[in-house]
Amino acid sequence: GAVVSQHPSRVICKSGTSVKIECRSLDFQATTMFWYRQFPKQSLMLMATSNEGSKATYEQGVEKDKFLINHASLTLSTLTVTSAHPEDSSFYICSATRWDHYGYTFGSGTRLTVV
Amino acid sequence: AQSVSQHNHHVILSEAASLELGCNYSYGGTVNLFWYVQYPGQHLQLLLKYFSGDPLVKGIKGFEAEFIKSKFSFNLRKPSVQWSDTAEYFCAVNAWNRDDKIIFGKGTRLHILP
Repeated sequence: GAVVSQHPSRVICKSGTSVKIECRSLDFQATTMFWYRQFPKQSLMLMATSNEGSKATYEQGVEKDKFLINHASLTLSTLTVTSAHPEDSSFYICSATRWDHYGYTFGSGTRLTVV
Repeated sequence: AQSVSQHNHHVILSEAASLELGCNYSYGGTVNLFWYVQYPGQHLQLLLKYFSGDPLVKGIKGFEAEFIKSKFSFNLRKPSVQWSDTAEYFCAVNAWNRDDKIIFGKGTRLHILP
C-alpha cells in the first residue's frame, strides 16, 4: 500500500533558528500534499496545500513567509519553519495523494519543540 | 506503541443503506478519538470527536460514533447514507499524557452508488 515517510519524527531547536520537515511518498507519485498542524487536545488544522511544481496554497491566518513549503518533485514536499519561536512548537503532519486523489496517506508526524 | 486499525479498506453501499465503519486502537490510557473525512480533491475535515463524557458522539452530516472503552473501539455510523458521502474516512487517536502525537488509521474508502 501507499507509504508516506515523514522526517524527522521529533526535533528540538533553539528560538530563531529554522527547521525543515520532509514528507516523502515512497511508492507512489504524490501530486498533492497537505500540511497540517495539531494543537494540544485539538483536531488538526490545515496549514497549506501543495501541488507539485506550483506554489502552495496557504490557509487564512498561516504565514507563508514563516512556513515555507516546497513541492519540487512528485515524491517530496518540505515544510520549513523559519525563525522558529516557542509558539511554533506543535505536531506537524503531512498527507499525500495521487493525481486522481484516489486515497490519502498520512505521514507519521513531526513533534517540533522550540526552546 | 499506539496504533489504529480500520478494518474495512473499501466499502461500497447503495444510497439509503446504513453504514458502520470499524475503528480499533491500541493504547491503555486515556485517549481522544476523532473521525475525519476527506472528499476527493479536498483537505481533511473533522466529522466528530470524543474527549470525555457521553460515549455516543454526534457529528456533522448525520454521523455518529460510539466509544466502547472495553473494546478499544470507536466505530462510525450513519443510518442512511447519501451519494455525497462518497469519500475517504479516517479514524485517529491522540493519547493523553503523551506528546500529543495523533495516529491515523489507514482510512476507509467509501463509495456510495446512486
